[in-house]
Amino acid sequence: DADVTQTPRNRITKTGKRIMLECSQTKGHDRMYWYRQDPGLGLRLIYYSFDVKDINKGEISDGYSVSRQAQAKFSLSLESAIPNQTALYFCATSEPGSLAGELFFGEGSRLTVL
Amino acid sequence: GQQLNQSPQSMFIQEGEDVSMNCTSSSIFNTWLWYKQDPGEGPVLLIALYKAGELTSNGRLTAQFGITRKDSFLNISASIPSDVGIYFCAGRGLRNAGNMLTFGGGTRLMVKP
Repeated sequence: DADVTQTPRNRITKTGKRIMLECSQTKGHDRMYWYRQDPGLGLRLIYYSFDVKDINKGEISDGYSVSRQAQAKFSLSLESAIPNQTALYFCATSEPGSLAGELFFGEGSRLTVL
Repeated sequence: GQQLNQSPQSMFIQEGEDVSMNCTSSSIFNTWLWYKQDPGEGPVLLIALYKAGELTSNGRLTAQFGITRKDSFLNISASIPSDVGIYFCAGRGLRNAGNMLTFGGGTRLMVKP
């Protein structure tokens, strides 16, 4: 079983709909992240959380919100989806003491907004 | 914000060939990481570099932390079909808080058997 689990893995929705992507982890890490992947643009940080009471905006937070329900759960919401939010979304975790700052990624959630 | 330029964007090579890709930055990084993303999966860490000039190997993969601290290189020797995927460089700068990484745009590698 994956240590970082994302649901759904694929979702097609319409413009204006509210969408939630969920992430849960069994790694016991305090730090969780949401990234967006677009071809040629790499991975861009949307939001991150260093513990349950901590929420921080990343590089591209406009149009998104997050909720850290527990240490192991971090969800991403699109309040009113638009077509340019069509992308592959990744949840990730990390340990605060990690020298490399290594991120452990989920398998991704592909979102298509029509 | 900081940006990483990764090249080439894609490569289509014959099995057995060696591969080189690199990342350059306009600012200094104190850590460089190389990730690989298999089709349908999330990225996985291949190699981490911590010091300027450092050369580190992981099997057929070799990565280097550039002397200027503004670039890094990844080489794959004797490519095989399972090397197919997207390779990302990532860097953490001196002014980044926590574990914030900046990612390159990725190099898509295709290997012809």
